Amino acid sequence: GAGVSQSPSNKVTEKGKDVELRCDPISGHTALYWYRQSLGQGLEFLIYFQGNSAPDKSGLPSDRFSAERTGGSVSTLTIQRTQQEDSAVYLCASSFARGRSDTQYFGPGTRLTVL
Amino acid sequence: AQSVTQLGSHVSVSEGALVLLRCNYSSSVPPYLFWYVQYPNQGLQLLLKYTTGATLVKGINGFEAEFKKSETSFHLTKPSAHMSDAAEYFCAVSDRGGNKLTFGGGTRVLVKP
Repeated sequence: GAGVSQSPSNKVTEKGKDVELRCDPISGHTALYWYRQSLGQGLEFLIYFQGNSAPDKSGLPSDRFSAERTGGSVSTLTIQRTQQEDSAVYLCASSFARGRSDTQYFGPGTRLTVL
Repeated sequence: AQSVTQLGSHVSVSEGALVLLRCNYSSSVPPYLFWYVQYPNQGLQLLLKYTTGATLVKGINGFEAEFKKSETSFHLTKPSAHMSDAAEYFCAVSDRGGNKLTFGGGTRVLVKP
């Protein structure tokens, strides 16, 4: 079956612009995660959605970052007023959310470059 | 709180030689540990994971890892490196609620012919 898909694969934007990154999880997966991968910070957790529960936003670096998940499926990560330090690869993952032993399946990522 | 340390950001091995990637963790709860591999311009793919039970875990592509509680380690090995093993490898620990993974800094493996 299809894996996690993300779009766009690459995004170049100018400082101060808003961007939206999309994630389509694996069908049937109720949990969805966003991570950021950057040279300076490595792989960092951003946000977690599970079913209809309130999302865990504890990893969002600032209030310029937000995410939503519509209909328990597709998710959009929005970065407002982008800064150069936002340049990174944004990875989405999904899982069945059966607990700590869950395998998270990752998408190919969106490479964001802020000029 | 959880943390993961991977010793060595870069490892170079000869084709056919042993691959050993080191991972040490800190966790306030019994750890659930994962090794992921990332090929260039791709997402992360699970190699193996330890949850409970047998401490020697076998994964895909001939990799295995051993959980050693006394050493707080989860080192990854492969007896004989192949050129296709060139990639970046990440060790991770799951948090208490299973909401997120905390990753180590990654180890990039170069395989020499």
